[in-house]
Amino acid sequence: QVQLVQSGAEVKKPGASLKVSCKASGYTFSDYYIHWVRQAPGQGLEWMGWINPDSGGTNYAQRFHGWVTMTRDTSINTVYMDLSSLKSDDTAVYYCARSGYGCSGGSCYHYYYGMDVWGHGTTVTVSS
Amino acid sequence: QSALTQPASVSGSPGQSITIPCTGTSSDIGTYTYVSWYQQLPGRAPKIIIYDVTKRPSGVSNRFSGSKSGNTASLTISGLQAEDEADYHCSSYTTITGVMFGGGTKLTVL
Repeated sequence: QVQLVQSGAEVKKPGASLKVSCKASGYTFSDYYIHWVRQAPGQGLEWMGWINPDSGGTNYAQRFHGWVTMTRDTSINTVYMDLSSLKSDDTAVYYCARSGYGCSGGSCYHYYYGMDVWGHGTTVTVSS
Repeated sequence: QSALTQPASVSGSPGQSITIPCTGTSSDIGTYTYVSWYQQLPGRAPKIIIYDVTKRPSGVSNRFSGSKSGNTASLTISGLQAEDEADYHCSSYTTITGVMFGGGTKLTVL
């Protein structure tokens, strides 16, 4: 079945860097964008950006420009999210999620700004 | 940039209908039909329940419906059930940054 499997929980010190992986299976990897979304404890969802696994092209949320890097390895159907210069308020659950594919009125199509399959989340704790 | 605006909490009794608004601007909800809604149960990843303002993914109950008027999108849940108790998040495409989420709304079924 379609699934996204993320790497395990991380504990980091302030100033360190983070790399989270997201391995896709059950569908054609290159056909769907992968979004990264994070959720701080007790807070809402925050969109970080997306990567097009086909081209490697990326689009980052303004506040993450220069701070986040998303890459992919098409040989193993995996995308990565790197976040540098971690601070305590980067403590959050980090999710990867696939852009959507839906059918309505007899036609099916990709929708790139919604996310229809989510990883289980990677808990990241930043603490000295 | 501020998130889309949702009420922090809503509540309703079993069998009732509730509506959760999500207010944006002309840079997002007001111009584009790329609004999605997600249901998040405690400790779980979000699950999409509405995409492109009104469309339901396969397998999602028809008790969930979406709409939009001006800069505000809305999620309506009819025939409220205890299992609907969860956090609900809206999102929209935005010209400014790509995708933006609301702050989330906690639904309590009384």
